[in-house]
Amino acid sequence: GQQLNQSPQSMFIQEGEDVSMNCTSSSIFNTWLWYKQDPGEGPVLLIALYKAGELTSNGRLTAQFGITRKDSFLNISASIPSDVGIYFCAGRDQGAQKLVFGQGTRLTINP
Amino acid sequence: NAGVTQTPKFRILKIGQSMTLQCTQDMNHNYMYWYRQDPGMGLKLIYYSVGAGITDKGEVPNGYNVSRSTTEDFPLRLELAAPSQTSVYFCASRPHRTASTDTQYFGPGTRLTVL
Repeated sequence: GQQLNQSPQSMFIQEGEDVSMNCTSSSIFNTWLWYKQDPGEGPVLLIALYKAGELTSNGRLTAQFGITRKDSFLNISASIPSDVGIYFCAGRDQGAQKLVFGQGTRLTINP
Repeated sequence: NAGVTQTPKFRILKIGQSMTLQCTQDMNHNYMYWYRQDPGMGLKLIYYSVGAGITDKGEVPNGYNVSRSTTEDFPLRLELAAPSQTSVYFCASRPHRTASTDTQYFGPGTRLTVL
């Protein structure tokens, strides 16, 4: 079946640093989504991408839909303590009812 | 709107016991999903439903059953609990798909331990 590889698995950074993470797929997706999960909570959608090459921002977060449609990237600028959590990528085929999720990137920030 | 609600928040089961995880959404969404999340892992789809009366298997359906008698409710049933079903279970919903409504809204999760 389809698989998503998300990297890195974990990150330990200083407050104020920029963060980059990515997700690669073994097959093409028509939709890429990025979610954040806080401890003890369900995932919350951050950014949705619908076109190859699309670059979308949400505050300090910027995500891109890769040109090959097999990858996506998420950047966080000037990290703050509330950015701590697990970030998941998810992809969907055209016409598919289901999302495929990456394994997550755990972000830890040292103040 | 309360969004997606799940009960219970926590539960401990003995091997072989059965239970139903409840999920309700008040957004009139057609699509509903059940996922499990094992420690340090992403979400794996158990079952999903595209509307009342219609359900389908996801990636890891074995040991579970679902029903969708109403648009609002999508309960997940464990008949014979096994330690391998220890996990955090998330329910999600989304509206009928259009070009820009491809998002899923998640509940807060049910943490299940089987001993």
